[in-house]
Amino acid sequence: DQQVKQNSPSLSVQEGRISILNCDYTNSMFDYFLWYKKYPAEGPTFLISISSIKDKNEDGRFTVFLNKSAKHLSLHIVPSQPGDSAVYFCAASEGSGNTGKLIFGQGTTLQVKP
Amino acid sequence: DVKVTQSSRYLVKRTGEKVFLECVQDMDHENMFWYRQDPGLGLRLIYFSYDVKMKEKGDIPEGYSVSREKKERFSLILESASTNQTSMYLCASSILTGTRIYEQYFGPGTRLTVT
Repeated sequence: DQQVKQNSPSLSVQEGRISILNCDYTNSMFDYFLWYKKYPAEGPTFLISISSIKDKNEDGRFTVFLNKSAKHLSLHIVPSQPGDSAVYFCAASEGSGNTGKLIFGQGTTLQVKP
Repeated sequence: DVKVTQSSRYLVKRTGEKVFLECVQDMDHENMFWYRQDPGLGLRLIYFSYDVKMKEKGDIPEGYSVSREKKERFSLILESASTNQTSMYLCASSILTGTRIYEQYFGPGTRLTVT
């Protein structure tokens, strides 16, 4: 069963507008969450993370929000730029000691139109 | 910059062949991971290793094995390739301690086709 779910396979937004990517999880033991971005023909790259003790983390145009009661996190990109067009994966850690193991969602393809 | 390299970008193999995928990282990371990426399924963990000669099964280890003889190198082995192993294979590494343990650095991937 998928413990981390990204229910929207794709999202299209206009340049300059806000992009909101969503992620839901089922395991209440997850204690750290991350977003990765992947361009075609490249490996994913780390974008932003948030600990379960916080509800918001901001880095430039990127903000991640965590709602633990709803087991939901979201990534906001403001303003969106064409270079943000990529596949975005959310990931969660199992809190299983020092293995660094992550559970990834299915990914959401973001297209930012000029 | 962390660099994770994978031996091949594209690979075509026949059913039943033994396939080796190599991954090398240059940041002295303790943790290394092998994933496969399939449409609609995201990244699924095959195996990971937190030290030389140490390995643990991920979520989908069937049909695969791994080898880690040196800290910088982590190999994925398909014992007898099958068509359902056609996929994009991604290697990653991370440090062992602290919150940055979860920030994995990925290689560019190997697109494997089994015919």
